[in-house]
Amino acid sequence: RKEVEQDPGPFNVPEGATVAFNCTYSNSASQSFFWYRQDCRKEPKLLMSVYSSGNEDGRFTAQLNRASQYISLLIRDSKLSDSATYLCVAGRSGGSNYKLTFGKGTLLTVNP
Amino acid sequence: ETGVTQTPRHLVMGMTNKKSLKCEQHLGHNAMYWYKQSAKKPLELMFVYSLEERVENNSVPSRFSPECPNSSHLFLHLHTLQPEDSALYLCASSQINTGSPLHFGNGTRLTVT
Repeated sequence: RKEVEQDPGPFNVPEGATVAFNCTYSNSASQSFFWYRQDCRKEPKLLMSVYSSGNEDGRFTAQLNRASQYISLLIRDSKLSDSATYLCVAGRSGGSNYKLTFGKGTLLTVNP
Repeated sequence: ETGVTQTPRHLVMGMTNKKSLKCEQHLGHNAMYWYKQSAKKPLELMFVYSLEERVENNSVPSRFSPECPNSSHLFLHLHTLQPEDSALYLCASSQINTGSPLHFGNGTRLTVT
């Protein structure tokens, strides 16, 4: 089983739609969680951290369910500029370093 | 300059060439990473340096040789690469052991001919 799994999509939605991405992680020792976005042929950029109580940043809401080892990202009122690949990340201590494992990403296309 | 900068942005090299990728971070972080991203594959961690000491080598072939002379600089020396090594190579930095996210450079797109 992969350490971080995401629905690969692609998701094609119209502007203004609400879209939800799901992610599961297999290692219960994971302690920190993030969502990144990656535009085509560019580097990943941090979108938001995911906190236990859930957190919101404008149109974006992230949720964490430790019992189910599940992370989600909700995008409301989607814009054309939201088109990108969204990467789920789980981090845990691993000896002398901190291991961050990336999911394969979910491709989102927002259509006019 | 701020953030994480990588050079060159694009690199084409033959299989017998030797080249180096350079990464510099201006964030005061104490860990630096090399990742490889091939088409339609997830990010693959190659190397991790924590406090200038290599702490992870993810079974990377010896034709890739990292070097971390100080906490702000990271190199990836390339020698006798194969066409399948063509990919986007991403450098990142973080403050290790704090659960903080990675900050990526803009990557080097490598083509091996």
